[in-house]
Amino acid sequence: EAQVTQNPRYLITVTGKKLTVTCSQNMNHEYMSWYRQDPGLGLRQIYYSMNVEATDKGDVPEGYKVSRKEKRNFPLILESPSPNQTSLYFCASSLNTGLAGGNTQYFGPGTRLTVL
Amino acid sequence: LAKTTQPISMDSYEGQEVNITCSHNNIATNDYITWYQQFPSQGPRFIIQGYKTKVTNEVASLFIPADRKSSTLSLPRVSLSDTAVYYCLVSGNTPLVFGKGTRLSVIA
Repeated sequence: EAQVTQNPRYLITVTGKKLTVTCSQNMNHEYMSWYRQDPGLGLRQIYYSMNVEATDKGDVPEGYKVSRKEKRNFPLILESPSPNQTSLYFCASSLNTGLAGGNTQYFGPGTRLTVL
Repeated sequence: LAKTTQPISMDSYEGQEVNITCSHNNIATNDYITWYQQFPSQGPRFIIQGYKTKVTNEVASLFIPADRKSSTLSLPRVSLSDTAVYYCLVSGNTPLVFGKGTRLSVIA
């Protein structure tokens, strides 16, 4: 089944404790992206990757890191989480962004993160 | 990136047709218009995409006038399960950017 998976789905942690949220897709998609969603603010892009070893900042990259060593995986790293990073996080992927219909994004189930 | 404007919220009764209009005055020639649906605590889900005129699938219809400066998502005979946030996006060869969407509430 074609899908985007994220782990963990729920995470409660404490300020300053490094964490990684994994994202994996099995559709051979070139483009992957991370979003956070907060009440009243909609979806905001954190980082995106056009292909392996090609990552770029989105609208709210501060406090986050990403890597794209393999096409299928795009982990989100919080080196020193803070309470303002408490949010619902979504990973997404698409075939690419250059072709008609190619930029249809497929989303993972979400990761609810709480930083105490 | 083309900026989009859509209503913050809409209410509808079950069984009615719902039309959500999105404005995108500075849409570029190679931009497509895409609509997504999002239920609470779930990731957005692709509904429909179009470039011009009308596109229809099993879920919705998308109407795009000749000047392409706006588009209308039409949901026929909505049910309670259509209560969700609907996002209008415009993009060509650049990453999609989501705004705040339109919160549709369907009432019994």
